[in-house]
Amino acid sequence: DTEVTQTPKHLVMGMTNKKSLKCEQHMGHRAMYWYKQKAKKPPELMFVYSYEKLSINESVPSRFSPECPNSSLLNLHLHALQPEDSALYLCASSQHRLGGYNEQFFGPGTRLTVL
Amino acid sequence: DAKTTQPNSMESNEEEPVHLPCNHSTISGTDYIHWYRQLPSQGPEYVIHGLTSNVNNRMASLAIAEDRKSSTLILHRATLRDAAVYYCILRDGVNNQGGKLIFGQGTELSVKP
Repeated sequence: DTEVTQTPKHLVMGMTNKKSLKCEQHMGHRAMYWYKQKAKKPPELMFVYSYEKLSINESVPSRFSPECPNSSLLNLHLHALQPEDSALYLCASSQHRLGGYNEQFFGPGTRLTVL
Repeated sequence: DAKTTQPNSMESNEEEPVHLPCNHSTISGTDYIHWYRQLPSQGPEYVIHGLTSNVNNRMASLAIAEDRKSSTLILHRATLRDAAVYYCILRDGVNNQGGKLIFGQGTELSVKP
């Protein structure tokens, strides 16, 4: 199984809502990532988890809160978002071999619209 | 992280070879050259990577200049399914900063039947 799954596929939320995005992989990967992609732009890294611990936060606003409850799951909790946060949110995973190449496997993304 | 420069868009005819260029004049000795592509309405997918020597896999070939300041992704016979945005990315193979990928603007490849 070389698939990264993301739910939901689409999400519409108001600025006062709280919602969560979910990502799952069963490839035994110990590194997981969240990227944000605006329309017609390249993906931008948000967070990296290594062995279930947050290793990189690219200065992301606190209204985005990541969580890695176990080695297969990655969540992104959303609260008090702004309309400019509307984007495609991509999850990825990779092995965590030091000194080797770790190809990233991406999910199809969650299309988020903030009203 | 060293920067890459790619043309914004390219066109190809189906079943013809495609050469996608990438300039990376500030590449360091430990930077690997990676290519990912993103098909419409999908997440990016890995294509190929290399350090100094040319590389081939089932999807594509990667030709790296001798001075490593540029590289070319070669699709040997373009199909309609190859229409995508192609990203050339440099990543430090020693201090890989937790595996982060920094995407540039990419080249949007269109394939005509």
